[in-house]
Amino acid sequence: DAKTTQPTSMDCAEGRAANLPCNHSTISGNEYVYWYRQIHSQGPQYIIHGLKNNETNEMASLIITEDRKSSTLILPHATLRDTAVYYCIVRVWGGGGADGLTFGKGTHLIIQP
Amino acid sequence: ETGVTQSPTHLIKTRGQQVTLRCSSQSGHNTVSWYQQALGQGPQFIFQYYREEENGRGNFPPRFSGLQFPNYSSELNVNALELDDSALYLCASSLYLVGLSTDTQYFGPGTRLTVL
Repeated sequence: DAKTTQPTSMDCAEGRAANLPCNHSTISGNEYVYWYRQIHSQGPQYIIHGLKNNETNEMASLIITEDRKSSTLILPHATLRDTAVYYCIVRVWGGGGADGLTFGKGTHLIIQP
Repeated sequence: ETGVTQSPTHLIKTRGQQVTLRCSSQSGHNTVSWYQQALGQGPQFIFQYYREEENGRGNFPPRFSGLQFPNYSSELNVNALELDDSALYLCASSLYLVGLSTDTQYFGPGTRLTVL
């Protein structure tokens, strides 16, 4: 799976949009971009995923650049409960394969009151 | 809440002992993956079970083994425990279908294992 690069930490004011960047310059055509977050000592929580189109769900939006070499996760109105480590993961799925998710160090997002 | 449950929540063992951790997958899912998360690190993939067979494995020794049952629940067994096995053990379930282009893994709350 392609390697990802994320900032170690970010701050965001409560109520503002949190924009978390991720670089995945070696991504290949059949790799998806996944975002998970992990609040301290809990299991990772799935947020959103995409292949090449922008995606939106009730939690967040995912913007993928046209060349697919980077993406941004957007939390539109951050709350204190959004403080967590956010992981950007690229994952190949070839059908029949059985690889796990490769977690990096993620971005520690701190929402400030 | 994902519907993935794990037991026990916490466990303390001594070096050399054996441990079994359990995971119930989300309704409708047929695949279970296990991960180890050491303090301050991201989760590391141990293995995945599909159709009651190991379907993929990360860089973990054979003393880490597992089972998947007909109801898709799963066990992780670790023999000859070492101090470095102290970690949060996570299971994740997903639905794999032939022809599906991707799957999404949903995680349970984890089991905190401490080896003394």
